Amino acid sequence: DSGVTQTPKHLITATGQRVTLRCSPRSGDLSVYWYQQSLDQGLQFLIQYYNGEERAKGNILERFSAQQFPDLHSELNLSSLELGDSALYFCASSLGTAPNSPLHFGNGTRLTVT
Amino acid sequence: AQTVTQSQPEMSVQEAETVTLSCTYDTSESDYYLFWYKQPPSRQMILVIRQEAYKQQNATENRFSVNFQKAAKSFSLKISDSQLGDAAMYFCAYRSAYAGGTSYGKLTFGQGTILTVHP
Repeated sequence: DSGVTQTPKHLITATGQRVTLRCSPRSGDLSVYWYQQSLDQGLQFLIQYYNGEERAKGNILERFSAQQFPDLHSELNLSSLELGDSALYFCASSLGTAPNSPLHFGNGTRLTVT
Repeated sequence: AQTVTQSQPEMSVQEAETVTLSCTYDTSESDYYLFWYKQPPSRQMILVIRQEAYKQQNATENRFSVNFQKAAKSFSLKISDSQLGDAAMYFCAYRSAYAGGTSYGKLTFGQGTILTVHP
């Protein structure tokens, strides 16, 4: 158990809808990262937060947004969903932002858009 | 931008044998970290081993070891005495060590190698 909790585990929704994925980082970790894993794109970095502030942005679509709250949990909001958004969404956390600070991954949220 | 390439989509090994998974990467940076992650059917990403680019000595974690060739930008994973529990998707990943850069902090993953272990 990595200590990173993601909810829900599975989500099925229709095109055009909006969903929110939630992540609770490991106790003591201040950084949260979001990744998307799909068959055609592999594992893609979306966005990183550190202690409530956005630190790095990757291949995140404008339809997607995220935030980290004062209690350090994070939410990834996906709107105007398309079939191609179906993927496994991972959250990871680390103590800080240093590259030698290991990332601990949650079990992911499987999103299916129909 | 950095890229990570795993040229073996699938590999198989007999239980108790040794297998090597390949990984190459492209970067203009001299300071970085390399990782191997394992993703079993449970789909959780598990850190297997880590290598700092400034260290010449290859990292080792029990049955797992790496062959890090910095000049060749190669980072292979060797699994000795393979066990059934080693069956998983394995990802090679790169992480920049340059603070303030656009790549700082994020992990860049390869496409993954599916490892099958035969009893």
